[in-house]
Amino acid sequence: QSALTQPASVSGSPGQSITISCTGTSTDVGGYNFVSWYQQHPGTAPKLMIYDVSNRPSGVSNRFSGSKSGNTASLTISGLQAGDEADYYCTSKTSSSLYVFGTGTKVTVL
Amino acid sequence: QVQLVESGGGLVKPGGSLRLSCTASGFTFSDYYMSWIRQAPGKGLDWVSSITTSGSTIYHADSVKGRFTISRDNAKHSLFLQMNSLRAEDTAVYYCARGGYSHFDKWGQGTLVTVSS
Repeated sequence: QSALTQPASVSGSPGQSITISCTGTSTDVGGYNFVSWYQQHPGTAPKLMIYDVSNRPSGVSNRFSGSKSGNTASLTISGLQAGDEADYYCTSKTSSSLYVFGTGTKVTVL
Repeated sequence: QVQLVESGGGLVKPGGSLRLSCTASGFTFSDYYMSWIRQAPGKGLDWVSSITTSGSTIYHADSVKGRFTISRDNAKHSLFLQMNSLRAEDTAVYYCARGGYSHFDKWGQGTLVTVSS
């Protein structure tokens, strides 16, 4: 099972919006509405930001939103803040193994 | 509040074994799937194993199938990962995570496993 494809890095200025893509296949992203997104600051454990494509857990800012079209899922961060600078990973259920993670995206706030 | 605390990591020689534990508190452990996810130094996240609420069904990534076994003790609110025939490429921080049906909503702080001679 190959990792889902994410851009290595995305950057934006404070207040701007950025979007991170997560591309898979019809056997993972395209076949299930079980895509989730995680934020990881250096040296800390990942934190769930979006689950089931577009749902936000309690306590996560509404500046974070998720969507999916075909085999590609997306995470959008609006009103970018310094604290959003972190690594972001997508994951999806798959028909072959149970889960596959994305390659990860480093978000930089300029 | 939900807490997941991993233990059992350390330095082990190639071919050796190690058993990781994760002690849960702050929620009804037996109501949740549980999972192990690892992260090699400087690398991305890698799903390892998941187990259903009763422990009756387990799932393993192909990379660890036949070498690792996930298990749980609901009475002791504990999750385990028995790791045998360890290889250098198994070196990683191993995270215990709540969930595994559709997502992982709580994570422990991780325990480092180093496989080296």
